Amino acid sequence: DSGVTQTPKHLITATGQRVTLRCSPRSGDLSVYWYQQSLDQGLQFLIQYYNGEERAKGNILERFSAQQFPDLHSELNLSSLELGDSALYFCASTKTGWNGYTFGSGTRLTVV
Amino acid sequence: DAKTTQPPSMDCAEGRAANLPCNHSTISGNEYVYWYRQIHSQGPQYIIHGLKNNETNEMASLIITEDRKSSTLILPHATLRDTAVYYCIVRVPSNAGNMLTFGGGTRLMVKP
Repeated sequence: DSGVTQTPKHLITATGQRVTLRCSPRSGDLSVYWYQQSLDQGLQFLIQYYNGEERAKGNILERFSAQQFPDLHSELNLSSLELGDSALYFCASTKTGWNGYTFGSGTRLTVV
Repeated sequence: DAKTTQPPSMDCAEGRAANLPCNHSTISGNEYVYWYRQIHSQGPQYIIHGLKNNETNEMASLIITEDRKSSTLILPHATLRDTAVYYCIVRVPSNAGNMLTFGGGTRLMVKP
């Protein structure tokens, strides 16, 4: 157990639907990062939150949004889902001033 | 962040040392070298990092050349469980914790 908890582990949904992925960072970590990994593709950075505020954006589609709540957990919302959104979605967290990132075990999203 | 170059794949015999190279010829003075690995479909796992001195922990050793333009990750006694994609990342750590940018990595296959 890395200390970063992602739920659900698996999600199957239909095209056009909306889903919410949840991430609880390690205790004390203020930064949360979301990554997408499509089949046989690399890890693509989506978005970062730091202590409740958006800090950086990567290749995140307009159909996707995220937020970080006062208790520091984060949610990634994916709407108007397409087949191409099928992927592993990872969350990572880090402490301020520490050099390493801790990743969760991911949510596998399948859009049918 | 400095660009890194890694071989796309390597093989290693079980029980032997696995030496994974990484070139980062444009590295700047305040950039660290980080290594992560991703075992199939799991979240990436932090292995080790360093600035200019060689580093060792319970997982691996990191050898950085004197000019810092390349480094080698050494797994001293590779096991089948070390089969994974290994990522070399060069970046400046910051208090806000900027995102990690993953390249293609090296796919290490440990064979019996």
